[in-house]
Amino acid sequence: NAGVMQNPRHLVRRRGQEARLRCSPMKGHSHVYWYRQLPEEGLKFMVYLQKENIIDESGMPKERFSAEFPKEGPSILRIQQVVRGDSAAYFCASSPGGPHGYTFGSGTRLTVV
Amino acid sequence: TQLLEQSPQFLSIQEGENLTVYCNSSSVFSSLQWYRQEPGEGPVLLVTVVTGGEVKKLKRLTFQFGDARKDSSLHITAAQPGDTGLYLCAGGSYGNKLVFGAGTILRVKS
Repeated sequence: NAGVMQNPRHLVRRRGQEARLRCSPMKGHSHVYWYRQLPEEGLKFMVYLQKENIIDESGMPKERFSAEFPKEGPSILRIQQVVRGDSAAYFCASSPGGPHGYTFGSGTRLTVV
Repeated sequence: TQLLEQSPQFLSIQEGENLTVYCNSSSVFSSLQWYRQEPGEGPVLLVTVVTGGEVKKLKRLTFQFGDARKDSSLHITAAQPGDTGLYLCAGGSYGNKLVFGAGTILRVKS
């Protein structure tokens, strides 16, 4: 029973390029969440999605960031025209909904050079 | 905006000592969860507490949810080097989204 799969694990982008981060939730989980983490800090909420719907995007920057969770395929977090300040670890988590804990992926570490 | 404050931010202790990590908020949460994260990996769920006053034990770890569901504590008895990591508390609302505290970095020296 595979857990939450994120890829790539590491991503290096030059300033101005696009970054695409992928997340496949656990089997049976229809709720997906994206969080961002700076070194030795807590996780900052970005967006909460269910299949084909964005439920809460209150943590997403207004520009350059977008997320989707299509009917088929993984959830995608897309960052356009990356800047150095976007360098961070981005974690995806999934849950079956309700008062259940999240299952996290291993994260994608984005470095903008 | 719901906020969770964790204390202490950093804890360095000797093997065999006991410790307590606190998680406090002015907001009421429907559930409170604790996670442990190791470098380079995602957080791993340790426990979920949903009832005010609830106490759960996981081997040497004891978790408590405050009566008013605004705070929680994690107590580790006889800490071991394998307990080293970042401990995160997270509060759940009825909208499924979790709000995380800034974390407590625990280092247990042998």
